[in-house]
Amino acid sequence: EIVLTQSPDTLSLSPGERATLSCRASQPIASNYLAWYQQKPGQAPRLLIYDTSKRATDIPDRFSGSGSGTDFTLTISRLEPEDFALYHCQSYGGSPPNTFGQGAKLEIK
Amino acid sequence: QFRLQESGPGLVKLSETLSLTCTVSGGSMNDMYWSWLRQPPGKGLEWLGYIHYSGATNYNSSLKSRITISVDTSKSQFSLHLTSLTAADTAVYFCARGGWSLASWGQGILVTVSS
Repeated sequence: EIVLTQSPDTLSLSPGERATLSCRASQPIASNYLAWYQQKPGQAPRLLIYDTSKRATDIPDRFSGSGSGTDFTLTISRLEPEDFALYHCQSYGGSPPNTFGQGAKLEIK
Repeated sequence: QFRLQESGPGLVKLSETLSLTCTVSGGSMNDMYWSWLRQPPGKGLEWLGYIHYSGATNYNSSLKSRITISVDTSKSQFSLHLTSLTAADTAVYFCARGGWSLASWGQGILVTVSS
């Protein structure tokens, strides 16, 4: 069973800075089936990135995903105030079909 | 654009069964997978299971003996039944469109399990 570990647990940055969030898998993820979600307090998660690097509909291009094998990254090139939120990575298509990381909080410094 | 809405009780008793329904609007359920997930207070997301519009299911093995997901495409709904509830089942429950990457989500419903 794949275990996803996100780091850091909390990242403190200022608007305009670049954010890099990591997601490490305990074993290689087949076909790079990895997604990223953003979740704001009291809201449902929103799909940002799927298949490691494909942006979901209406997601700004400041969000990008990369990686392969066991190491994956979500990068936000220039933080906007609305980007401060909780971020989840998810692997899919394996066994079990879906696994999530523990979540990482991006907070304003 | 798909919209999903969970409905059901916000409080259920220990050892009883939770039944939630997700109503889908804005598109057809056909040719798609539909999922249930949950998030305990202050914790991460847990995938519970998904169902294909045809009725085929796949469940999280940690819940396999307690969970049933069903679909009624004529009503544009799919449902979650979770038996033998414990306090550990207290969470916000979400329904979502998709079986793998999850493109649309309901707003979530908080379910508290208590004696």
